[in-house]
Amino acid sequence: GENVEQHPSTLSVQEGDSAVIKCTYSDSASNYFPWYKQELGKRPQLIIDIRSNVGEKKDQRIAVTLNKTAKHFSLHITETQPEDSAVYFCAPTWTGANSKLTFGKGITLSVRP
Amino acid sequence: DTGVSQDPRHKITKRGQNVTFRCDPISEHNRLYWYRQTLGQGPEFLTYFQNEAQLEKSRLLSDRFSAERPKGSFSTLEIQRTEQGDSAMYLCASSPPRGRLAENTYEQYFGPGTRLTVT
Repeated sequence: GENVEQHPSTLSVQEGDSAVIKCTYSDSASNYFPWYKQELGKRPQLIIDIRSNVGEKKDQRIAVTLNKTAKHFSLHITETQPEDSAVYFCAPTWTGANSKLTFGKGITLSVRP
Repeated sequence: DTGVSQDPRHKITKRGQNVTFRCDPISEHNRLYWYRQTLGQGPEFLTYFQNEAQLEKSRLLSDRFSAERPKGSFSTLEIQRTEQGDSAMYLCASSPPRGRLAENTYEQYFGPGTRLTVT
């Protein structure tokens, strides 16, 4: 099965700085790479995703980059704001079957005002 | 609210009791997933339904756990003879049907979860 690791486990940045969160995975069959954000006591919500035929995708202040050869993908957040403080999960997935998500342990991002 | 809903939001039960949770997915979403999340961990897959058919069950799903989706709409997850190790947040997610490859969305929409505490 898929082995997913996220680094670092916690990250603290100053408001306005950039944050980069990395996810490594083991299953070369994975072809869909989402990032979910979970605020304290709330449900996970998709913030950005990328497919294996694309190397980078951007949506306003967030972007995701994929390196399939090295089996890792990263979440980039620019101009961080206090409301970006949350736990971020990567969940690399193979969409050919049931598309169940295999989540990493998550990274807690704290944005200091 | 047209999102995924779950009921109850919280459940406290004594060890050995049976509990049942309900999930109402987004209408017209034929794919439904159950996950379990413990403190400090990511959600772990439990089981998957496509319409009314249960197509995959995780090894995590012991024989005390059973899930149904009788009419392909709402789903229930029952835990029999609860144990303290069952204490967790139980999350339901739904996803729309697949169409042409380039148009597919694989996003899973999560419900608010049912927090189970077994005393």
